[in-house]
Amino acid sequence: DTGVSQDPRHKITKRGQNVTFRCDPISEHNRLYWYRQTLGQGPEFLTYFQNEAQLEKSRLLSDRFSAERPKGSFSTLEIQRTEQGDSAMYLCASRRRETQYFGPGTRLLVL
Amino acid sequence: DQQVKQNSPSLSVQEGRISILNCDYTNSMFDYFLWYKKYPAEGPTFLISISSIKDKNEDGRFTVFLNKSAKHLSLHIVPSQPGDSAVYFCAGDSGAGSYQLTFGKGTKLSVIP
Repeated sequence: DTGVSQDPRHKITKRGQNVTFRCDPISEHNRLYWYRQTLGQGPEFLTYFQNEAQLEKSRLLSDRFSAERPKGSFSTLEIQRTEQGDSAMYLCASRRRETQYFGPGTRLLVL
Repeated sequence: DQQVKQNSPSLSVQEGRISILNCDYTNSMFDYFLWYKKYPAEGPTFLISISSIKDKNEDGRFTVFLNKSAKHLSLHIVPSQPGDSAVYFCAGDSGAGSYQLTFGKGTKLSVIP
């Protein structure tokens, strides 16, 4: 296993700009998750893919957020018109059996 | 409504002693529980898990206990080592649908040499 990878690891942007993050799951895992973690909190579920199908979205995922997983491989999470409240660590995970394995995360800072 | 609660934000333990981290949950639909360890600026690393049909699972220095009637689980680390210093998260898996994880807020463990 090469592990889950995420890119970029850090992103600083100005309010109102769009940002896109990428996640490459462990190759044989068909389930992929996005979570968000803010200071002092545990990770919170955002959305879930099984292969290329986005099957569930949290209420946390506003209309400014969109996620894709073309061809059921890597996934992207885009945030449009970023707000300061979007500043957080964005975590991707892929699942094998009952265990989710997390990537290193992308830390977003919106100025 | 916090479905997973870790009521101790921090814990300090001497090296070589036992560390006990606690977690309570309210959602009876959880059928699998996981513990993750997290260092600053890194993603959570899977540590150990337990199915709701068991009451104990052991892996080396780590043991997780589950008390379903009390909706309580605990992670025991023995002996504790300085490298164990990290934030530990407890998570419940709904076992249906997306199998999303619901996390507690974490407990910061400091192991003092």
